[in-house]
Amino acid sequence: QVQLQQSGPGLLKPSQTLSLTCAISGDSVSSNTAAWHWVRQSPSRGLEWLGRTYYRSKWYNDYAVSVESRITINPDTSKNQVSLQLSSVIPEDTAVYYCSREIRYSSSSGFDYWGHGTLVTVSS
Amino acid sequence: DIVMTQSPDSLAVSLGERAIINCKSSQSVLYSSNNKNYLGWYQQKPGQPPKLLIYWASTRESGVPDRFSGSGSGTDFTLTISSLQAEDVAVYFCQQYYTTPYTFGQGTKLEIK
Repeated sequence: QVQLQQSGPGLLKPSQTLSLTCAISGDSVSSNTAAWHWVRQSPSRGLEWLGRTYYRSKWYNDYAVSVESRITINPDTSKNQVSLQLSSVIPEDTAVYYCSREIRYSSSSGFDYWGHGTLVTVSS
Repeated sequence: DIVMTQSPDSLAVSLGERAIINCKSSQSVLYSSNNKNYLGWYQQKPGQPPKLLIYWASTRESGVPDRFSGSGSGTDFTLTISSLQAEDVAVYFCQQYYTTPYTFGQGTKLEIK
């Protein structure tokens, strides 16, 4: 059974850096049949895909254009986890942030496991 | 970006009756090399993350009751709940994972009439 355990601060001031961690159990961050995503959800933006990391003989990353100048998603193979960093946050970055696994055997089959979500509030 | 548009935004259905939610993508999500639609349906209850119900537009995820079914191809898709149960009250989302940025519909809130 795959479990994704999220951790990180929930309150930030504008201009600070959001840092969240997603600890993976039941699978490997280096799996050749998975990709690891970050998605956020807010009343104004709905569900918004932020980016992903995955390993296929080497590491790949893709990011949403709306945040690509501020976002970094990194795998940590020693701890079997994936992290999200979003710099220079603004109040509009207030949202519930989720990590999620995309399973890809013969082809992608959607996001089958999700973290519990972390409410991040950006306020001065 | 592929825009996903769901209809209706909200829906009230009597217990035991059928619920139908539609999703339209701004471009096809059918991958021609394997004839699979890269379209998923998710259920989200308050305070919980989304839960995958259907992938490849019509394949039910393990453990999902068979009253949930998906259909459609290309740009037009439907999620059907054949006989609404009280535990089905939730918000439902479609998602395309054909190409990044992966995008979601705005959600359909399903309630009991």
